[in-house]
Amino acid sequence: ILNVEQSPQSLHVQEGDSTNFTCSFPSSNFYALHWYRWETAKSPEALFVMTLNGDEKKKGRISATLNTKEGYSYLYIKGSQPEDSATYLCAHPTGNQFYFGTGTSLTVIP
Amino acid sequence: DSGVTQTPKHLITATGQRVTLRCSPRSGDLSVYWYQQSLDQGLQFLIQYYNGEERAKGNILERFSAQQFPDLHSELNLSSLELGDSALYFCASSVVGGALNNEQFFGPGTRLTVL
Repeated sequence: ILNVEQSPQSLHVQEGDSTNFTCSFPSSNFYALHWYRWETAKSPEALFVMTLNGDEKKKGRISATLNTKEGYSYLYIKGSQPEDSATYLCAHPTGNQFYFGTGTSLTVIP
Repeated sequence: DSGVTQTPKHLITATGQRVTLRCSPRSGDLSVYWYQQSLDQGLQFLIQYYNGEERAKGNILERFSAQQFPDLHSELNLSSLELGDSALYFCASSVVGGALNNEQFFGPGTRLTVL
């Protein structure tokens, strides 16, 4: 994988459902993996910065895991709420540059 | 509110013109990053400054330049503007600049429209 890829591109879930999405990145020369939450008409907000293989981080109902050997990270949202509706971006710094994925747009239907 | 401020919020100008976007980082943050988000594209990293010095360069056009001043605010200068430069320009800051494993705090963005 040459670029950062996120899937799915968009997701609609019912309130209360749990969901997850994927960020894939080049596994060589790994340094860190960032997750951001971006609500419409606002600016991106940092969720997690993950650096170690096997890392698992949690913030409230949102958690993330990291597999640097195979080059992927999962973001999980437990019991989705309408306020979780946003675009979730991952970013992979390499060299001295940041490469962002195109994001997963999550819509939680009340 | 992330603590990062950007001015102006909106800017409308004509092709061929030059504009300056301004960013003030969070208090205590030494590093400033500039990003561009064009229509239908993700965030593109442009450039990073750390304590007044250029630290990293991304997909920044030669018509664009930036600097960080002693008070740590930063300016992004866009010249010979083209229609395709219309985008949302974000500034972000972080405490340190040498390590890319520090979370970044994003400003509200400047929306540039080139007519």
